[in-house]
Amino acid sequence: IAGITQAPTSQILAAGRRMTLRCTQDMRHNAMYWYRQDLGLGLRLIHYSNTAGTTGKGEVPDGYSVSRANTDDFPLTLASAVPSQTSVYFCASAVAGGTGELFFGEGSRLTVL
Amino acid sequence: GESVGLHLPTLSVQEGDNSIINCAYSNSASDYFIWYKQESGKGPQFIIDIRSNMDKRQGQRVTVLLNKTVKHLSLQIAATQPGDSAVYFCAENRHNAGNMLTFGGGTRLMVKP
Repeated sequence: IAGITQAPTSQILAAGRRMTLRCTQDMRHNAMYWYRQDLGLGLRLIHYSNTAGTTGKGEVPDGYSVSRANTDDFPLTLASAVPSQTSVYFCASAVAGGTGELFFGEGSRLTVL
Repeated sequence: GESVGLHLPTLSVQEGDNSIINCAYSNSASDYFIWYKQESGKGPQFIIDIRSNMDKRQGQRVTVLLNKTVKHLSLQIAATQPGDSAVYFCAENRHNAGNMLTFGGGTRLMVKP
C-alpha cells in the first residue's frame, strides 16, 4: 500500500532551471494539495485541487504551477527556480469535503542555488 | 532579520509523564481543528480532530480540548513515550475558504527516557 508517493526525494537545482515535483496517490482521493515547509515554520499551502480537472491557488502560489489531468497525479512545476524556493515540499490528498484529515507524502527536499 | 519561526517552541517531558501541547487559532469561523504529528524526515501524520461544536474529544492516549472563548486548542498525550518525540502541528479547517487547512508553527516534543 503506497498511499502518497513523491519524487524526487531530494534535488539540488541551479537557479533559473525548470523543475517538476511529482506526486501520485492510490487512494482515489478527490482532493490534493501541495505545501511547502520552511525551517521551523508550519506548512504553507501553494496550490490545491478539489477534483480532477480543477486547481486553485493557496497562500503562496507565486512561481509555481500545477495540473490535475487525472485523479491520481498532481505535479508541481517551478518554471524558473529561485533560491527562495529552497524548501521541503509536501504533497497531500484527502477526501473532498472531509474534516481535514490529510494524507501526506514523505516530502521532496529542494535546494535552489 | 531572522524569523521567530526558525526557533520552534520545545516541550521536554519525562517518559511516562503526561504532555500538554497548546495552540492558539485565529479564525472563529473554522469548522474543524486537527492535530498532526511530524517525525523527523517524514510527512505530517493525522492524530485527531475535533469539530467546532465540541469542547473535548478523546482518542487512544490523546485528548484534544477546544476553548472557543479564548480560541485555544490543546493536545494532551497520556503516559508519553519515546515514540511520541516529534513536532506537533495544529491546523484549522475553514470551510468558507475552500476546505483548506491553515497550519500553526508547531511545537517540538522531546521525551526523556
